[in-house]
Amino acid sequence: QSVLTQPPSVSGVPGQRVTISCTGSSSNIGVGYDVQWYQQLPGTAPKLLIYGNNNRPSGVPDRFSGSKSGTSASLAITGLQAEDEADYYCQSYDNSLSGYVFGIGTKVTVL
Amino acid sequence: QLQLQESGPGLVKPSETLSLTCTVSGDSISSSSYYWGWIRQPPGKGLEWIGSMYYSGYTFYNPSLRSRFTIAVDMSKNQFSLKLSSVTAADTAVYYCARHGGAAAEFDHWFDPWGQGTLVTVSS
Repeated sequence: QSVLTQPPSVSGVPGQRVTISCTGSSSNIGVGYDVQWYQQLPGTAPKLLIYGNNNRPSGVPDRFSGSKSGTSASLAITGLQAEDEADYYCQSYDNSLSGYVFGIGTKVTVL
Repeated sequence: QLQLQESGPGLVKPSETLSLTCTVSGDSISSSSYYWGWIRQPPGKGLEWIGSMYYSGYTFYNPSLRSRFTIAVDMSKNQFSLKLSSVTAADTAVYYCARHGGAAAEFDHWFDPWGQGTLVTVSS
């Protein structure tokens, strides 16, 4: 159980747009702390996908975008591709727990 | 290109102390503005931040785990380490090291890059 809530799974067909929500509270996202997103392909280490709510590191396709509003954040994948099948985690800071926190992860399945 | 590599025993007996090392290449661990951290992932589960350090020796930990973990730096080898005492089966996980920073405020840091991870199994 995490202070950042994500749906366990989302799915879509190639070319579709899917979104993953990350719901926090007034002690993390709602305070104004930034949200990051990581992609974890099967059997590999997590990779930074989005930082500072809506910024993409060099090399990350612009199909991936992030947004934040209030106590929640979202990751959108447009033009879904088979290679996007992975687990996705949101991450922020929580001042009541005094540390970095991750969401439980969302498995994206490409049908 | 910055790379991190975890190393340590794959199997540890219950009640023993686990020791892991993260070797950093491609940059100095004493680079300003960056911190170095440990994250773990139990099999089939999510990510849990363990703790982090700055090259000066400043360390901070997940309050729910702090009492059993110790993070230290060896600048001569460009490495930092993690020790976990009194391990139990619940400590079985893939352990990752990662650099974090990038933002002016510590609480807005992101983790990048990550090491490939090392699986530690606690079993007799």
